[in-house]
Amino acid sequence: GENVEQHPSTLSVQEGDSAVIKCTYSDSASNYFPWYKQELGKGPQLIIDIRSNVGEKKDQRIAVTLNKTAKHFSLHITETQPEDSAVYFCAASSQAGTALIFGKGTTLSVSS
Amino acid sequence: GAVVSQHPSWVICKSGTSVKIECRSLDFQATTMFWYRQFPKQSLMLMATSNEGSKATYEQGVEKDKFLINHASLTLSTLTVTSAHPEDSSFYICSATGAYGYTFGSGTRLTVV
Repeated sequence: GENVEQHPSTLSVQEGDSAVIKCTYSDSASNYFPWYKQELGKGPQLIIDIRSNVGEKKDQRIAVTLNKTAKHFSLHITETQPEDSAVYFCAASSQAGTALIFGKGTTLSVSS
Repeated sequence: GAVVSQHPSWVICKSGTSVKIECRSLDFQATTMFWYRQFPKQSLMLMATSNEGSKATYEQGVEKDKFLINHASLTLSTLTVTSAHPEDSSFYICSATGAYGYTFGSGTRLTVV
């Protein structure tokens, strides 16, 4: 089955800096790669996603890149703000309707 | 947008009792629902997959007789933790798929005392 590795486990940046979180996956059939933000005691919130027919996607300060050959994808947050502090999870699924498999998460801390 | 309502948001129960958690898709039909468990400072671990009207498929290591899943309609799935023990204390999260992709509930914090 699918296995998703995520790095780093913790990331501390200064406000205004950029943050990058990287994930690798094992199943070459995976074709959907979402990123979630989870605040304490809440369910995960989708922040951006990408499908395998696209190499990059951007939404304001957030971007995701995908390299299918290397089987890795990354989350980029620019101009970080204290409210970006949270746990971020990457995930992957191999086909529509199958479960998302999550990485172990990255705790992002943005200090002002 | 798609909304999944999960209740209760938190529950405390005594060891040996059963607890039911509900997930409802409010504005779409959920063809498939997934149940995850999340221990503190850990990731979401898939417990089971359920399709409306079918028996749930459980992940390896998850006891199907302990975690009863019912998906009787396209808008409702329930997870019942039977004979709960302190080690079952965790954050349980449901996710539904339909026309809007994956939508997550807000989670249920279960504490067994």
